[in-house]
Amino acid sequence: DIQVTQSPSSLSASVGDRVTITCRASQTIITYLNWYQQKPGRAPKLLIYAGTSLQSGVPSRFSGSGSGTDFTLTIRSLQPEDFATYYCQQSYIPPFTFGPGTRLDIK
Amino acid sequence: EVQLVESGGNLAQPGGSLRLSCAASGFSFGIYRMNWVRQAPGKGLEWVSYISSGGSDVSYADSVKGRFTISRDNAKNSVSLQMNSLRDEDTAVYYCARASGGNFYHFDYWGQGTLVTVSS
Repeated sequence: DIQVTQSPSSLSASVGDRVTITCRASQTIITYLNWYQQKPGRAPKLLIYAGTSLQSGVPSRFSGSGSGTDFTLTIRSLQPEDFATYYCQQSYIPPFTFGPGTRLDIK
Repeated sequence: EVQLVESGGNLAQPGGSLRLSCAASGFSFGIYRMNWVRQAPGKGLEWVSYISSGGSDVSYADSVKGRFTISRDNAKNSVSLQMNSLRDEDTAVYYCARASGGNFYHFDYWGQGTLVTVSS
């Protein structure tokens, strides 16, 4: 199975900051990498798919990059509603493993 | 509007069974692949199972293989998860999720989740 790791596991930032979250796969997944945002008590929400494609309706301050085994999610100019937990997921081959999550808190 | 509504979550004893259902509306259900994803209390997301649009292709996480069975009824716009031989570690919120994107598979719509608690 493909293992997926994320770093950091948590971070604190302020409104207006730029933050980057990293995801690493245990083998190449080309660009079969998705990013989700989850708020407490809510279902996950798709942000980025295929490594770099912004899901419809998601603000352009979110962007994804990377290929192979290393990927990043960047949030430019954090807004109050962005404080949440972020998960990456590989969709190259099943099982479609998720990363352990990155909790983004307000500093 | 796309909607996915899960039901069937409940308290079950270890070794028992539950059947979860997910009712879909607002899209052409029969052409989409569907998945179940779960989240144990305070933990991360775990993909559980997948079923192809026609139902002929399925896949399971190792943690549930041989115990859970995914199925779908395209006439009724629903997908189900039969959960047998339940264990304490199956306690979680179970989400159904629609998969889009052809080869670049991603979960673009999720239900609100249904809670399964396994405890004696």
